[in-house]
Amino acid sequence: GEDVEQSLFLSVREGDSSVINCTYTDSSSTYLYWYKQEPGAGLQLLTYIFSNMDMKQDQRLTVLLNKKDKHLSLRIADTQTGDSAIYFCADPSSNTGKLIFGQGTTLQVKP
Amino acid sequence: NAGVMQNPRHLVRRRGQEARLRCSPMKGHSHVYWYRQLPEEGLKFMVYLQKENIIDESGMPKERFSAEFPKEGPSILRIQQVVRGDSAAYFCASSPPSTSGSTGYNEQFFGPGTRLTVL
Repeated sequence: GEDVEQSLFLSVREGDSSVINCTYTDSSSTYLYWYKQEPGAGLQLLTYIFSNMDMKQDQRLTVLLNKKDKHLSLRIADTQTGDSAIYFCADPSSNTGKLIFGQGTTLQVKP
Repeated sequence: NAGVMQNPRHLVRRRGQEARLRCSPMKGHSHVYWYRQLPEEGLKFMVYLQKENIIDESGMPKERFSAEFPKEGPSILRIQQVVRGDSAAYFCASSPPSTSGSTGYNEQFFGPGTRLTVL
């Protein structure tokens, strides 16, 4: 079945780059998404990538997609304390568009 | 344009009671998805509805859980005879009608969630 895997925890110092990794199994998706969840809040779409792209850059965010290895990564440059949150990658089911989420990566940013 | 609204934000129930969770999608959105987030876990899909239709309920537990999205009013997720294992955050997301099918870009906008605690 469809599955999405992420590492659970990442700790970085303020100003460093953060790289959050994700692997997925359903390769038919046209888009892949990254969501951010702050404590006690809902999910906010952070960025997405079209499946025929290898890379997408959006200000401090860079998304890399390796379709052959089914690997997706999110790089946050110059990480700030406000970036502390849980980050989820999500793969839409090809049938109905429901999102298959990874377990979420908790990003801790130390001052 | 108001975002997705969910109420209540927090709900406490005793074992055996019923829980009703409401979701009002964004204006113009006709697709509603419900997800459950158990403590320390990611979100798991439960059900996908369009107005008056259940499209995909493959993630719904077979008993005690039901969902509806009537022609008028919010979508409701109903849990009968709640048990402690139902304690979780329940998120609703809405999306507009997709012009390119489920494989096109179709952002889901999430509500703030309802945190259910079963005592």
